[in-house]
Amino acid sequence: GESVGLHLPTLSVQEGDNSIINCAYSNSASDYFIWYKQESGKGPQFIIDIRSNMDKRQGQRVTVLLNKTVKHLSLQIAATQPGDSAVYFCAENRGKLVFGAGTILRVKS
Amino acid sequence: EAGVAQSPRYKIIEKRQSVAFWCNPISGHATLYWYQQILGQGPKLLIQFQNNGVVDDSQLPKDRFSAERLKGVDSTLKIQPAKLEDSAVYLCASSLRRGDEQFFGPGTRLTVL
Repeated sequence: GESVGLHLPTLSVQEGDNSIINCAYSNSASDYFIWYKQESGKGPQFIIDIRSNMDKRQGQRVTVLLNKTVKHLSLQIAATQPGDSAVYFCAENRGKLVFGAGTILRVKS
Repeated sequence: EAGVAQSPRYKIIEKRQSVAFWCNPISGHATLYWYQQILGQGPKLLIQFQNNGVVDDSQLPKDRFSAERLKGVDSTLKIQPAKLEDSAVYLCASSLRRGDEQFFGPGTRLTVL
């Protein structure tokens, strides 16, 4: 079936380093992806999105890369901070959101 | 601007009991969503409303789950009777229009014993 999933369940990085979180999708017709951050006890929070007519999109300290050839996208966080510790989800927006399983990001001080 | 409000934040019940969750979306948001998030998984859409009409309830276990949004604003999600596998966080989200950015509430954590 169609799915959106993640490669790494847990990522530990040193404060100040860059983080890369990966996501694979299976539906080649997918055209709109969103990254969410979910902190403990809170709902998911929008970080950045990208449409299939783009390969890269940058925000504040975050960059999303989309490789349609291999159906893969990644979220890069520059200069990772303790406040970035959370679970990160990629999701496909088909009018409704289809979420992957999530990656736990732990930032070591 | 106030965010999406949900209550209660936590609920513990025994199996076969009933439970209801309440959601107040962001003012003016026409689209409201209920998600189920089982521990260690991403949220899964249960039902989507456009104003007071159901757009998508294909993933809602209709034998035990029901939801309504009678006046197109607040919404309630009910489980009757609850099963152990219903233990999860129930998230409500809203968006201005269908397909727009969704804003999530803090969720209700349900534990079924």
